[in-house]
Amino acid sequence: AQSVDQPDAHVTLSEGASLELRCSYSYSAAPYLFWYVQYPGQSLQFLLKYITGDTVVKGTKGFEAEFRKSNSSFNLKKSPAHWSDSAKYFCALEGRTEGADRLTFGKGTQLIIQP
Amino acid sequence: GPKVLQIPSHQIIDMGQMVTLNCDPVSNHLYFYWYKQILGQQMEFLVNFYNGKVMEKSKLFKDQFSVERPDGSYFTLKIQPTALEDSAVYFCASSLGLGVYAEQFFGPGTRLTVL
Repeated sequence: AQSVDQPDAHVTLSEGASLELRCSYSYSAAPYLFWYVQYPGQSLQFLLKYITGDTVVKGTKGFEAEFRKSNSSFNLKKSPAHWSDSAKYFCALEGRTEGADRLTFGKGTQLIIQP
Repeated sequence: GPKVLQIPSHQIIDMGQMVTLNCDPVSNHLYFYWYKQILGQQMEFLVNFYNGKVMEKSKLFKDQFSVERPDGSYFTLKIQPTALEDSAVYFCASSLGLGVYAEQFFGPGTRLTVL
């Protein structure tokens, strides 16, 4: 079984602050991990992924995430945050069966950046 | 960037009717997916499809559900007959491949309301 937990349903920060959105996972094999962002009325947009190698991965829009096997986490970070970063962020784990992949999503974190 | 299109954006039907949700995936992608998101909840995997076949389906993919992509046209999700609990936003996604090519691109979703 595989699961993703995003413990913070809402995060509110001031513009210019550092943001860190938490994500933890449970999976029996080596995970592929993703972050997606969803702006109101739009589809999910890919931010970054961890497949293997460097545990700090950089993505679009100035975001980065750190894979920590020791505590099964993949937290998303950005500094400084901008008001345009306000959106809903989803962490996802790719579970691989023979010949196909599926994504398991967390419940998402609604991020509000106040000007 | 690459775009996945979904038609229609909204669909309202009476319980027991049939509905077909259409997805136009990224043109060179080979793997196709449907996800379901009930309001306020996390996105959940329904099914993935490759080379004309269902590769994996979740327990949410009931017997009333079917998928196909005839002759490289739309990738469709058909529900027949519909039930009240099928009301949700359905997201289509496509990817070029697996593993390092597994980045899934998502459509904007079809909001299905079953009355």
